[in-house]
Amino acid sequence: AQTVTQSQPEMSVQEAETVTLSCTYDTSESDYYLFWYKQPPSRQMILVIRQEAYKQQNATENRFSVNFQKAAKSFSLKISDSQLGDAAMYFCAYRRGGATNKLIFGTGTLLAVQP
Amino acid sequence: ETGVTQSPTHLIKTRGQQVTLRCSSQSGHNTVSWYQQALGQGPQFIFQYYREEENGRGNFPPRFSGLQFPNYSSELNVNALELDDSALYLCASSSSGLAHNEQFFGPGTRLTVL
Repeated sequence: AQTVTQSQPEMSVQEAETVTLSCTYDTSESDYYLFWYKQPPSRQMILVIRQEAYKQQNATENRFSVNFQKAAKSFSLKISDSQLGDAAMYFCAYRRGGATNKLIFGTGTLLAVQP
Repeated sequence: ETGVTQSPTHLIKTRGQQVTLRCSSQSGHNTVSWYQQALGQGPQFIFQYYREEENGRGNFPPRFSGLQFPNYSSELNVNALELDDSALYLCASSSSGLAHNEQFFGPGTRLTVL
């Protein structure tokens, strides 16, 4: 069975600084996708960034980038130039390829941004 | 374009009762997934509906059931409620069941079972 592990329950970063959130996963599949989702307090979960396993290049979306280490089954999220609006719970998620929407989530990392 | 909506926002039930939660998918989306998010945990996949058929289920007992309607909106029904069913229930929609299509989440329904 696939699993996703986030070992940092809470993280804190100063505004304008950079922070990295860690995620490891376990799977025997070769076709899969990895995601980082952001869940602000009392607000909807939104997709931050997505990585296809077959792509060697790390995904980037503006201030958000990932470090995808396929052999190590590691998928970390780097947030550059942190902003107050980045404060939220961040979930790492796995989804295998094929006709399924089933996401397997980690337990989340609560990110605080200090002004 | 209207996003994913869910109703009600909050709900309080007692143990043994039944509950129905509703989800309206985003315009153009034909796939809806339901997740249970217990306090302090990541969401857990309950099941997925594609074109009115259940086509994927997580480790939830049969008392968790669902429906998808011709307009692709969906219901989650939970019978014989237990205290552990207290959670945030999220639905997510996408334009197909293919893995590369992004899922859009609703705001959730907070269910409290007393």
